[in-house]
Amino acid sequence: AQSVTQLDSHVSVSEGTPVLLRCNYSSSYSPSLFWYVQHPNKGLQLLLKYTSAATLVKGINGFEAEFKKSETSFHLTKPSAHMSDAAEYFCVVSEDTGGFKTIFGAGTRLFVKA
Amino acid sequence: GAVVSQHPSRVICKSGTSVKIECRSLDFQATTMFWYRQFPKQSLMLMATSNEGSKATYEQGVEKDKFLINHASLTLSTLTVTSAHPEDSSFYICSARWQDTEAFFGQGTRLTVV
Repeated sequence: AQSVTQLDSHVSVSEGTPVLLRCNYSSSYSPSLFWYVQHPNKGLQLLLKYTSAATLVKGINGFEAEFKKSETSFHLTKPSAHMSDAAEYFCVVSEDTGGFKTIFGAGTRLFVKA
Repeated sequence: GAVVSQHPSRVICKSGTSVKIECRSLDFQATTMFWYRQFPKQSLMLMATSNEGSKATYEQGVEKDKFLINHASLTLSTLTVTSAHPEDSSFYICSARWQDTEAFFGQGTRLTVV
């Protein structure tokens, strides 16, 4: 069975400092992993995705994530936070087991202080 | 990336009435569409999966007679909330995918039942 755990419900950083949003997953198959961002009252925007190619994935807006199979992790990072990064971030695991299934993590709210 | 359009973005309806939400894939044919519900400050919960031309598959606990899903064409799926009540007020989001590609999300619909 697949599952996704976002280890922090809230993360607060100062503008210009690094961002780390943690995600662990479990999957019986070779999963695809995604990070989405949601700004208040808006839909979801894809930041990046891993689909069994390079383990270090670069996304939009300076974000990147590294797939570590041994640790079953897919943490999201950014070297320098910007005020506009304040939003909700979702880690998502997807696997095709005959019936396509997508599971969302509970989300991490990122706060960026000036 | 591909575009999924959801309409309306916001709707307010009276208790007991029905509301229809549309999800359209604008530049690709969606073999599968997903409907999610998001409660305030919570993650997205998958409600149902629909494949074009067949009946939707509902997740456990989702009332199929309450949330009618139609996927009549490769570019359109609709979610009808029948006899809406205040507890149905929520943020509903659709996503669409072509075969085994990633899913693209609509902007969401904020439903308020008064």
